[in-house]
Amino acid sequence: GDSVTQMEGPVTLSEEAFLTINCTYTATGYPSLFWYVQYPGEGLQLLLKATKADDKGSNKGFEATYRKETTSFHLEKGSVQVSDSAVYFCALSDPSNAGGTSYGKLTFGQGTILTVHP
Amino acid sequence: KAGVTQTPRYLIKTRGQQVTLSCSPISGHRSVSWYQQTPGQGLQFLFEYFSETQRNKGNFPGRFSGRQFSNSRSEMNVSTLELGDSALYLCASSYWTGDNSPLHFGNGTRLTVT
Repeated sequence: GDSVTQMEGPVTLSEEAFLTINCTYTATGYPSLFWYVQYPGEGLQLLLKATKADDKGSNKGFEATYRKETTSFHLEKGSVQVSDSAVYFCALSDPSNAGGTSYGKLTFGQGTILTVHP
Repeated sequence: KAGVTQTPRYLIKTRGQQVTLSCSPISGHRSVSWYQQTPGQGLQFLFEYFSETQRNKGNFPGRFSGRQFSNSRSEMNVSTLELGDSALYLCASSYWTGDNSPLHFGNGTRLTVT
């Protein structure tokens, strides 16, 4: 079945440091890939997405490139801020396993806690 | 535009009881999905509804059920509650089930079973 593996956390950085959170996936079809962020006491917010190989998703300074050859979708940011402290989830949707058209079923990684200190 | 609204925010129930959680999607959204979030298992897919029809179901026992109404609002029900059902239950909505329709999540209902 489909699976997503994220680098183990938590990750602690100083403000303005470079961030990388690794994500690799296993899927039977051609999945779409996502990064979601969860702030304390809140639900998940879509951070960025990529729907096909070599696509680069970007938002709020975060980037991730869909690498089919390495089955990876690593999240990067050049200079983190204290406000980026949150839990980050990598996820995929694989419609070949979901009736062909559904994207409401996401498979999530275990989440990575990011703490940024001033 | 109002976001996804889940009620109640917090619930405390006793083993053996049943519970109903409610989700109001963003106006115009027709697809609703439910997820269970626990520290041990992470985020797990429960089910997905589109136009009142269940499109997908995750690997949960039959005690977990859901439905969607004609106005796209959705409810999920858990019967015969167990301690392990304690979790944050998240609802997400999208305009439809296509590739370019991202999921918008509510803030969740925190269920505690004692």
